Amino acid sequence: DTEVTQTPKHLVMGMTNKKSLKCEQHMGHRAMYWYKQKAKKPPELMFVYSYEKLSINESVPSRFSPECPNSSLLNLHLHALQPEDSALYLCASSGRQGEAFFGQGTRLTVV
Amino acid sequence: GEDVEQSLFLSVREGDSSVINCTYTDSSSTYLYWYKQEPGAGLQLLTYIFSNMDMKQDQRLTVLLNKKDKHLSLRIADTQTGDSAIYFCAGNAGNNRKLIWGLGTSLAVNP
Repeated sequence: DTEVTQTPKHLVMGMTNKKSLKCEQHMGHRAMYWYKQKAKKPPELMFVYSYEKLSINESVPSRFSPECPNSSLLNLHLHALQPEDSALYLCASSGRQGEAFFGQGTRLTVV
Repeated sequence: GEDVEQSLFLSVREGDSSVINCTYTDSSSTYLYWYKQEPGAGLQLLTYIFSNMDMKQDQRLTVLLNKKDKHLSLRIADTQTGDSAIYFCAGNAGNNRKLIWGLGTSLAVNP
């Protein structure tokens, strides 16, 4: 099973809303990631969790708040987003050779 | 810092071979990866190669690595319309689990 599951697939939220994105993997991977991707661009790394601890934060604004409740789950809490935050948000997990497996993403629209 | 470059577009006829090229600057990358992204979808890991290898074949896919020139290529044999997608190459940057991405090559397969 090389599946990473993300929910929801689509999300429309207002600038004053609070919402959460969820990600789950059962490959036993100990590294999990959040990426942001704009259309036809490469993904941009946001956060890396290694063994359930935050190891990389790529200077992401505090309106994005990651959480890793356990080794299989990763959440991204969203609050007071801006329209320019609209993008595809991708979760990934990686094995020992750093090979990252991605979910199908959450298409986020901020209105 | 690390940089990964790709040509942006490639157009081939169905049944022909496609060759997508990538160059990178950081020779410390231990693994190099190829990902495929279809419209509206997440990133699919196609294959990856360890930096001490020079070739890897997996069904219709052949990866060639020239470490001296820091050049990576992905050959798709018998290209089909279902291969139309954006292809990203990426390298890992040391041990910090951060991938460095190329801008992606958009492959168009014409019937």
